[in-house]
Amino acid sequence: SYEVTQPPSVSVSPGQTASIPCSGDDLEDKSVTWYQQKPGQSPVLVIYKDVKRPSGIPERISGSHSGNTATLTVTGTQATDEADYYCQVWDLSTVVFGGGTKLIVL
Amino acid sequence: QITLRESGPTLVKPTQTLTLTCAFSGFSLHSTEVGVGWIRQPPGKALEWLALIYWNDDKRYSPSLRSRLTITKDPSGNQVVLTMTNVHPVDAGTYYCAHRSAVTGEDPFDYWGPGTLVSVSS
Repeated sequence: SYEVTQPPSVSVSPGQTASIPCSGDDLEDKSVTWYQQKPGQSPVLVIYKDVKRPSGIPERISGSHSGNTATLTVTGTQATDEADYYCQVWDLSTVVFGGGTKLIVL
Repeated sequence: QITLRESGPTLVKPTQTLTLTCAFSGFSLHSTEVGVGWIRQPPGKALEWLALIYWNDDKRYSPSLRSRLTITKDPSGNQVVLTMTNVHPVDAGTYYCAHRSAVTGEDPFDYWGPGTLVSVSS
């Protein structure tokens, strides 16, 4: 079955830029979705179709995709951005989630 | 606005069947290009997709759990039910349902319920 890979954690200092990668075979042929999940809360959609941002999501959260790696970028990171971030793709009409990345704001 | 809410037992015994209901408002499964999915999360672990049902009764299942899952929609168009047979302690966790606008093949889950916590123990 298809898999996408994320690092378990990424650390960033407040005000700096955090980048969270998501990689997979043939990922260049798929669109990537990103969800943010804070402790005790449901996931929230933050990026879809690689780069699109739903209304209400701040512009400092952005997505990009190059080759077999998609990246979620948080610029000017704030303490409130500390959360788990999951990438998700569609493979043969089924849903695949990455293992999640904990963004740690030091 | 779109809201979803999961409900079901908080505790089930090993080998029993788990039945969860997702009640939603703000949309209907009678409307085209709409879907509702189930996703679970064991404590401290990652999200895992389980199943998805569309307005036209098309159903998709996780390949690893397909034999144990059944997803159905209520004739009212406002509820979706997921059943999981032969549960075990590894099936414990929070179960979420989520809305999907399936206009294109890669549209996301854009609205999620608050989740329901299920424990599995004798």
